[in-house]
Amino acid sequence: GDSVTQMEGPVTLSEEAFLTINCTYTATGYPSLFWYVQYPGEGLQLLLKATKADDKGSNKGFEATYRKETTSFHLEKGSVQVSDSAVYFCALSDYAGGTSYGKLTFGQGTILTVHP
Amino acid sequence: NAGVTQTPKFRVLKTGQSMTLLCAQDMNHEYMYWYRQDPGMGLRLIHYSVGEGTTAKGEVPDGYNVSRLKKQNFLLGLESAAPSQTSVYFCASRERGTGVGVGNQPQHFGDGTRLSIL
Repeated sequence: GDSVTQMEGPVTLSEEAFLTINCTYTATGYPSLFWYVQYPGEGLQLLLKATKADDKGSNKGFEATYRKETTSFHLEKGSVQVSDSAVYFCALSDYAGGTSYGKLTFGQGTILTVHP
Repeated sequence: NAGVTQTPKFRVLKTGQSMTLLCAQDMNHEYMYWYRQDPGMGLRLIHYSVGEGTTAKGEVPDGYNVSRLKKQNFLLGLESAAPSQTSVYFCASRERGTGVGVGNQPQHFGDGTRLSIL
């Protein structure tokens, strides 16, 4: 079945540091890949997505490239801010002949804390 | 701009009690989902619905029931609550999409219901 593996957390960085959160996946069909962010006490918000190989998703300075050859979708940001402190989830939605119904498979989440 | 609204936001139950969590969306989405979030385990799908009057089991359906009598509402029921069901529950909805677009529509999430069962 489908699965998503994220790097172990938590991750603690100083403001303006470079961020990478690793994500690898296993899927049987043609997955779309997502990064969601969860701020304290809130639900998940879509951060970015990529729907086919070599697509790059980007938003708010975050980027991730869909790498089919390495089955990866690593999240990066060049300079993090305190306001980026949150939990980040990698997820995939597989397409398998129309029966997937958009169900998401999530990684376990990575807690990011950014200090001033 | 309500999006996905979940009620209640917090609830404490005793073992064996029953309750219903309500999810309402105002985006006319076909698909709706219930997840539970537990520490270190990400979100796991409980049940989902692909349209009014239809429901299906997800990854962890045992102990839960659902109903989708109206397109905008998706109810999650616990008939006899157990401590193992202590969790944060999230509802989500999304557009249907077509072809390979079935997979690439994002889900929109509510703010969650924090449920404790003593």
